[in-house]
This record gives sequence, structure tokens and C-alpha cells, in this order.
Amino acid sequence: NAGVTQTPKFQVLKTGQSMTLQCAQDMNHEYMSWYRQDPGMGLRLIHYSVGAGITDQGEVPNGYNVSRSTTEDFPLRLLSAAPSQTSVYFCASKSSSGHIYNEQFFGPGTRLTVL
Amino acid sequence: GDSVTQMEGPVTLSEEAFLTINCTYTATGYPSLFWYVQYPGEGLQLLLKATKADDKGSNKGFEATYRKETTSFHLEKGSVQVSDSAVYFCALITNSGAGSYQLTFGKGTKLSVIP
Repeated sequence: NAGVTQTPKFQVLKTGQSMTLQCAQDMNHEYMSWYRQDPGMGLRLIHYSVGAGITDQGEVPNGYNVSRSTTEDFPLRLLSAAPSQTSVYFCASKSSSGHIYNEQFFGPGTRLTVL
Repeated sequence: GDSVTQMEGPVTLSEEAFLTINCTYTATGYPSLFWYVQYPGEGLQLLLKATKADDKGSNKGFEATYRKETTSFHLEKGSVQVSDSAVYFCALITNSGAGSYQLTFGKGTKLSVIP
């Protein structure tokens, strides 16, 4: 199993550009989520999905869109990048079956810089 | 809302020193508690967890005990190694219906261990 994979690893954008951060998992997990990590802020939840076709907002959703057309993939779209979106982005997944406190598995992250 | 407070870093220790990283929480409901570790350039990995009061989570020589009376989950290790250098995150999850899979993270504590 590859686990949770993210692409790209690094990205530089100009203000106003759009892009999609890719996330995929091969563990057949129902639950997937996106976090951003900023210095001194810990991880903050952007969006999450409890299954294909179902998404919901987290703590900091503004400026980001998501969709979940398959169980495996959960892309994060920046429609018009802003310098405030400079951050490290992590995708995570977990199984929804069994105990709700199952471990979340994190991808290696995408480091995004918006100039 | 739920929140996690952990000691600010960075923390610098000599090899074989004793480690304590304090973590306290506020939560509605009855949370489960976690410690995640992030090694340089990587995503987060679950280090240990505890799901009810007085439970002790342990892994790789690290331990933490769920103290409901003091709302704490302090991380300890008796003898740290250079390979333990990482950022440590305390986190909680509560059984609150639709949002029950959302982890709430502390801001992280960076540990550096010097030979």
C-alpha cells in the first residue's frame, strides 16, 4: 500500500492563479480531510469528506473548494491564490468503520508559496 | 469549542535526558486524546493514544496518561535520543455526531536532542 499520496510536493504560484492539490489513498478509507499547517498555529481543518459525493467545511474553508467523486481521491482547489494561503497542506484519511477513534493517516504534505 | 494547549517550544535536550511535554485540553463531551509526531520533511504519524480516563498510551518509549481530573495528557520519555528530534502535537477528538472525526490539534512543540 502506498498509503496517502500528495502531489505536488512543492508549488509556487502568483497571486490570482488557480491550482489543484492532489490527494489519493489506497486504503479504501471513507473519511478524508485537508489541513493547513502554519508556524505557531498547529494544523487547522479546511474541508473534509465522509464518503464519495459528501463534503463539508472545516475551520478555515474560505478560498478553497473540494469535491469527492471517488473513494480514492480528494482534490483541493485554490480558485484565486492569495499570499495568505502560503502554507503546508496535509491530506489525511481514516476508516469510518469500527471505532470512531481510528487512526488518521497523513500524506507527506505540499508546500505552497503564493507570491 | 474544543481546544488543546501544549507547552511552547522549542525544547532542547541532551541525549538520555528526561522529556516532558505538557498538554491540557478543554472539550465538550468525552474526548479521546492523541500524540502525533512529525519528523523533518514528513507528514504526521500517530505516536500514541488513550480513549478513556486513566488509560496510558505508550509507544517507542513514550508514555502519556489520560488525566480527566486535571484535563491533561502530558507526554513523557525517560531517555531521549537524537532520533526523537521532531515536532510533537497533542490532539483530541470527541464523539459529537457528524463532526466526530475532526481532530483538534495543539500548536505543536519542537524537540531538538543534541548528542
